[in-house]
Amino acid sequence: DAGVTQSPTHLIKTRGQQVTLRCSPKSGHDTVSWYQQALGQGPQFIFQYYEEEERQRGNFPDRFSGHQFPNYSSELNVNALLLGDSALYLCASSRQSWGQFFGPGTRLTVL
Amino acid sequence: TQLLEQSPQFLSIQEGENLTVYCNSSSVFSSLQWYRQEPGEGPVLLVTVVTGGEVKKLKRLTFQFGDARKDSSLHITAAQTGDTGLYLCAGDGTGGFKTIFGAGTRLFVKA
Repeated sequence: DAGVTQSPTHLIKTRGQQVTLRCSPKSGHDTVSWYQQALGQGPQFIFQYYEEEERQRGNFPDRFSGHQFPNYSSELNVNALLLGDSALYLCASSRQSWGQFFGPGTRLTVL
Repeated sequence: TQLLEQSPQFLSIQEGENLTVYCNSSSVFSSLQWYRQEPGEGPVLLVTVVTGGEVKKLKRLTFQFGDARKDSSLHITAAQTGDTGLYLCAGDGTGGFKTIFGAGTRLFVKA
């Protein structure tokens, strides 16, 4: 049983560009959450998707948007990239439980 | 604003020593989770504590949830080099669907 998978593993972009990150949840999970983890910090909640809708959002600007597909996979889009967007982006899946299963993350570097 | 403060931020000890890390908040949480994260990977759930005063043991790891459900601790007995990693505490944020993480305690166990 595959766990949570994310792609790509690493990504380098320049300021102003747009990026799309992808996540496939653990089998049987229907909820996907996205987090941003800056170096030396804990993960910060971006938003959560359930039944193809954004269910809750953290304190992130509208440049951050997402989508969930009928097969529960999800995308995170970030527009107009800033240097400060450089971070590890984590996807976590769950199904009506407290504990989330995290993917290995996508390391985004903005130059 | 709900915040989780972890201490110490960094801990370097010899193999075989005992240690305790702390997670504190001024807010009440319905449950708290502890995760461990290794470099290049996503956090892995260790335990969820839900009842004030609860103590859970996972081999050499002992987790305690404060009576008032505002704090938690993780005690490791006879640390091993394999315990090295970033230990994160997390709790359910306002709205019910987002998870708030502390900044973590980075543990390094020397052989």
